[in-house]
Amino acid sequence: EAGVTQSPTHLIKTRGQQATLRCSPISGHTSVYWYQQALGLGLQFLLWYDEGEERNRGNFPPRFSGRQFPNYSSELNVNALELEDSALYLCASTLTWGAEAFFGQGTRLTVV
Amino acid sequence: AQSVTQLGSHVSVSEGALVLLRCNYSSSVPPYLFWYVQYPNQGLQLLLKYTTGATLVKGINGFEAEFKKSETSFHLTKPSAHMSDAAEYFCAVSHATGNQFYFGTGTSLTVIP
Repeated sequence: EAGVTQSPTHLIKTRGQQATLRCSPISGHTSVYWYQQALGLGLQFLLWYDEGEERNRGNFPPRFSGRQFPNYSSELNVNALELEDSALYLCASTLTWGAEAFFGQGTRLTVV
Repeated sequence: AQSVTQLGSHVSVSEGALVLLRCNYSSSVPPYLFWYVQYPNQGLQLLLKYTTGATLVKGINGFEAEFKKSETSFHLTKPSAHMSDAAEYFCAVSHATGNQFYFGTGTSLTVIP
């Protein structure tokens, strides 16, 4: 069974551009989480989608947005990129309430 | 509301020594508790989890954790550290009636030869 897949694995963008990151959850999983992991800052919760709806978002500006598609895959968009957006972005999916989260390998976003 | 506190952002142990990584949680409902490990430039991998039943939980790579309700703790231990245990460790809490995971800030484990 395929795990959580994220694409691309690496992304280099210029300040002010937009970045789109993609996540495919494990088959049957309906919840998707997005986290930002900047150097030395631990896991910062970005967004939580469940059954196609945004359930919660972390303390990030509106230029961080996303969506979940009918097949439960998800997309994270970051507009007006800033240098401090450089980080590893991790996606996780879960089957149901209380079940463990399975993580993808992440997308390394570098803003120059 | 739920939250997780990991005491000690960096822990160093000698190879062969006991590993103890601390995690305390707050939850208004019975929690589900998890420990994850992250190796450099990789995603997080589940080490072990507690949902219900036996409070001492055994995971992969010789790690175990004990759920102590009275102390609201879920500390991670391993009797003898190995060089390959060097990684970042995250404690997380969830529960059966709400899906959102809450992660601690992580503990970086260094194993000294």
